[in-house]
Amino acid sequence: DVKVTQSSRYLVKRTGEKVFLECVQDMDHENMFWYRQDPGLGLRLIYFSYDVKMKEKGDIPEGYSVSREKKERFSLILESASTNQTSMYLCASLIGRLNTEAFFGQGTRLTVV
Amino acid sequence: GENVEQHPSTLSVQEGDSAVIKCTYSDSASNYFPWYKQELGKGPQLIIDIRSNVGEKKDQRIAVTLNKTAKHFSLHITETQPEDSAVYFCAAYSYSGNTPLVFGKGTRLSVIA
Repeated sequence: DVKVTQSSRYLVKRTGEKVFLECVQDMDHENMFWYRQDPGLGLRLIYFSYDVKMKEKGDIPEGYSVSREKKERFSLILESASTNQTSMYLCASLIGRLNTEAFFGQGTRLTVV
Repeated sequence: GENVEQHPSTLSVQEGDSAVIKCTYSDSASNYFPWYKQELGKGPQLIIDIRSNVGEKKDQRIAVTLNKTAKHFSLHITETQPEDSAVYFCAAYSYSGNTPLVFGKGTRLSVIA
């Protein structure tokens, strides 16, 4: 089975801290995504990447950056955490263009205090 | 970019009844439409998908229909059971380019025993 692993289930960070959320997939997936999930707002796309070192902004990139140095790893970075970034963060990966199924990690619930 | 609208946001049905969730999309280039189920504390999981060259697909108690002309697609769950209670997300994607997977805001389905 394909596995998408997020480094932490729960995180508590202080305002102003730099926060790293890591996501690793164990198949040779080209595309990886970071979403933020908030009640009533669904899954909002922060950033996505369709290849190593490639990144594209999603709908809500402000306050975030990403890194994809290796195909299997996609990191989300909160440059200076703020309380409005308290949320559930979900990573997903997609097999490829002609065989399309997105697999999600379990999510990281981040609380910024 | 793509925009996906999903209705209703909440849905309650009696056990054994049918449930229907509807989505519309905006980008005619989208050609893949998956549905995800998210149970409490878990990441979304794919339950059924449909490609643009197909009008209907069925898998046991769940079915999806697609109307490309009207740009809408629907999820149908028959003979609902308490374990169908979850949040359901529709999504749209174009696998002919480096595009993101865009989700609707989700539908919270409650099946009342």
